[in-house]
Amino acid sequence: KAGVTQTPRYLIKTRGQQVTLSCSPISGHRSVSWYQQTPGQGLQFLFEYFSETQRNKGNFPGRFSGRQFSNSRSEMNVSTLELGDSALYLCASSFPMGQLSKTQYFGPGTRLLVL
Amino acid sequence: DQQVKQNSPSLSVQEGRISILNCDYTNSMFDYFLWYKKYPAEGPTFLISISSIKDKNEDGRFTVFLNKSAKHLSLHIVPSQPGDSAVYFCAASARRDYQLIWGAGTKLIIKP
Repeated sequence: KAGVTQTPRYLIKTRGQQVTLSCSPISGHRSVSWYQQTPGQGLQFLFEYFSETQRNKGNFPGRFSGRQFSNSRSEMNVSTLELGDSALYLCASSFPMGQLSKTQYFGPGTRLLVL
Repeated sequence: DQQVKQNSPSLSVQEGRISILNCDYTNSMFDYFLWYKKYPAEGPTFLISISSIKDKNEDGRFTVFLNKSAKHLSLHIVPSQPGDSAVYFCAASARRDYQLIWGAGTKLIIKP
């Protein structure tokens, strides 16, 4: 089975621009979660989607948004980029049911640099 | 309000010895706990998990212990190998909740 894939792997943007990151979950996984990791920080939860619906949301401003498509692929968008948005953005997917759904499998991440 | 705490930012262990990573939690509703390993610029890799109905789970060199009364879990790696050098995160979730709550991570350094 292919793992979680994220595109692009690296991205450079300037302040004020917007960016869209993409995530393809493991086949059969219907939950997709997004995280932000900045240097020296743990994983900050952004949001989680299940069956095209946002099921959980972290404490990030409205500039951060996401969506999930019917094939479970997900995108996250950050508008009006700020320098502090420079981070590794991680996507994770999990099995749809039961306790197994609590184990998340991560993609390699997208490294975003805002200049 | 940190519900999952990893109080040691870093830990240095001699190769071949035991590495013990600790994690404390405050939410008594947590019933499932996981450990992940992360190399720089990569996504975390799932290592091992434990349900609150158990107090120990073992997988090869990795063993997780859960002490519910103390709200404490630990990850033991025996023997420690150079490839184990990474940041280790513990995470927890509550019953019927699919969101994972993460600790800040502990950087493990295995010395040759």
